[in-house]
Amino acid sequence: DAGITQSPRHKVTETGTPVTLRCHQTENHRYMYWYRQDPGHGLRLIHYSYGVKDTDKGEVSDGYSVSRSKTEDFLLTLESATSSQTSVYFCAIKTSGSVYEQYFGPGTRLTVT
Amino acid sequence: TQLLEQSPQFLSIQEGENLTVYCNSSSVFSSLQWYRQEPGEGPVLLVTVVTGGEVKKLKRLTFQFGDARKDSSLHITAAQPGDTGLYLCAGAGSSNTGKLIFGQGTTLQVKP
Repeated sequence: DAGITQSPRHKVTETGTPVTLRCHQTENHRYMYWYRQDPGHGLRLIHYSYGVKDTDKGEVSDGYSVSRSKTEDFLLTLESATSSQTSVYFCAIKTSGSVYEQYFGPGTRLTVT
Repeated sequence: TQLLEQSPQFLSIQEGENLTVYCNSSSVFSSLQWYRQEPGEGPVLLVTVVTGGEVKKLKRLTFQFGDARKDSSLHITAAQPGDTGLYLCAGAGSSNTGKLIFGQGTTLQVKP
């Protein structure tokens, strides 16, 4: 257990509304990641952070923004949700050291109607 | 663009059978991880392989990293219903960002 929580765990929202998902970690890890998981695609990286206020894009970043004002919190925002953003969203942290291992939170199931 | 092709995508077997899941790429990875995921939960790390040719065993699960660090396999001996789940491989590049490239996943069903 890497001490990662995500909130909310489930959310239904309407097209065009803004949505913010929260990832919280308790172990002071520097790197945090947001992925989405869709059938047939495995997990795809949306954005990641390498420190407070330091973020970068992943492979599917369009339509998403992130913020990290504290080490323990990494927020993912959908500025104007679309049906194509219906997915399960996972947050992860990377342990320090020479071997890169990621540990995942429990996920948020988002449905955009 | 780095890609990881995972096969098969679906596998349904009887308890006691053996199986192998493959993860292949044309790219070299600095390390490769295998995860197992159950419905409604996040992926759980099973193992990390780092050295070309490396073999790691976790009870009835055997993981191998290819000599050229482009491919990996997961072999399960005498599968049990508790092995049912989604298995994911993920490769890490050489940068220190820790970004992972995931395969599409293999859904395993072990019937009693």
